[in-house]
Amino acid sequence: QVQLQESGPGLVKPSQTLSLTCTVSGGSISSGSYYWSWIRQPAGKGLEWIGRIHTGGSTNYNPSLKSRVTISVDTSKNQFSLKLSSATAADTAVYYCARADLSGSYEFDYWGQGTLVTVPS
Amino acid sequence: EIVLTQSPGTLSLSPGERATLSCRASQSVSSSYFAWYQQKPGQAPRLLIYGASSRATGIPDRFSGSGSGTDFTLTINRLEPEDFAVYYCQQYGSSPRTFGQGTKVEIK
Repeated sequence: QVQLQESGPGLVKPSQTLSLTCTVSGGSISSGSYYWSWIRQPAGKGLEWIGRIHTGGSTNYNPSLKSRVTISVDTSKNQFSLKLSSATAADTAVYYCARADLSGSYEFDYWGQGTLVTVPS
Repeated sequence: EIVLTQSPGTLSLSPGERATLSCRASQSVSSSYFAWYQQKPGQAPRLLIYGASSRATGIPDRFSGSGSGTDFTLTINRLEPEDFAVYYCQQYGSSPRTFGQGTKVEIK
């Protein structure tokens, strides 16, 4: 059973970089069969896709965040990470990591439990 | 970017009733790349339907999806107590991936 777990600071100062890591267990992130994504959800609001990475190195980002986002992968640790620079209060949200099938048949079949990140105004 | 608009915002129903949730896309989406998720408070979303009509692993057959082009529907037959939640539609045919704003199914 694949499991994903987000980790990182719950409080980020304005203008600093928000950094989160997703640790994958129960399967190898290097299998090559999946994209690994970040999605966020402000309190009481809907879901926003941030971007994704494939262990082959390709990344795709949401244009609304592209200038501030970097997603990277560490296959030796079975982890992938999110960095969001110049954080503001608008970045306060629960951040989820999730898996998507490489072939595109389905997306986001496994999710982490989510981690709340607060950027005070 | 494809905008997904869900209706209604809230659906008030009793256990045993049928729920019909709609999602309209701002431009055509391949039905191969359309999904529905269920989210309960404090939990991550759970994949229910992918490819517009295929149930994900372990999803009961009272959940069904249909639609094509710009109009998609999630139907929940015979609502069970555990089905009261927020439901999101999502398209993954183009980037960026986008979600609808959600429909809350609440107990009447």
